[in-house]
Amino acid sequence: SQQGEEDPQALSIQEGENATMNCSYKTSINNLQWYRQNSGRGLVHLILIRSNEREKHSGRLRVTLDTSKKSSSLLITASRAADTASYFCATGTSGSRLTFGEGTQLTVNP
Amino acid sequence: GAVVSQHPSWVICKSGTSVKIECRSLDFQATTMFWYRQFPKQSLMLMATSNEGSKATYEQGVEKDKFLINHASLTLSTLTVTSAHPEDSSFYICSARGTQGSPYEQYFGPGTRLTVT
Repeated sequence: SQQGEEDPQALSIQEGENATMNCSYKTSINNLQWYRQNSGRGLVHLILIRSNEREKHSGRLRVTLDTSKKSSSLLITASRAADTASYFCATGTSGSRLTFGEGTQLTVNP
Repeated sequence: GAVVSQHPSWVICKSGTSVKIECRSLDFQATTMFWYRQFPKQSLMLMATSNEGSKATYEQGVEKDKFLINHASLTLSTLTVTSAHPEDSSFYICSARGTQGSPYEQYFGPGTRLTVT
């Protein structure tokens, strides 16, 4: 079963704006990962944050994790049309099994 | 590095036939491979986890006799959809975890679109 819930389900912004997506989960985790999926394609790993970390950066991406609230957020700064995709959070436990959230469809308008 | 391929990328088959999908790790040894199914505009659902040389572990509700998984080598896992029906039409994605790098990171294949007519 999917334990991750993401909001918003869909987000439409203009190029140059920032995009924020949120993910909530229910059980204890070892790590949380964010993936991107272009329509009809496989997943691209974006960033992994461990349960003992609170914030992580990678280029224009910033991920936060609040284990007390069981939530995470993904911020994409200065968005580009090429960022248009579905974004999924996935929670990992000690056995490396991933449970995916429902995803956020991001549309960046040029 | 860490490239995973799938073959075929898309397949159309008739109801009642069987279809085999291959998942290969091209530049690393995959000790564990995962098979997911994704319906349109939905998330990925884990179907099974396979470790090289042992039987796959299926998620609750996934029929192991219908979705046969073989992980015979450290670079190849196959998913066979037996006696396919239209409701099996979906996007099937595999991922692999190797012995190097983060133990938590999975590398995903490009997916296989199955359409059963």
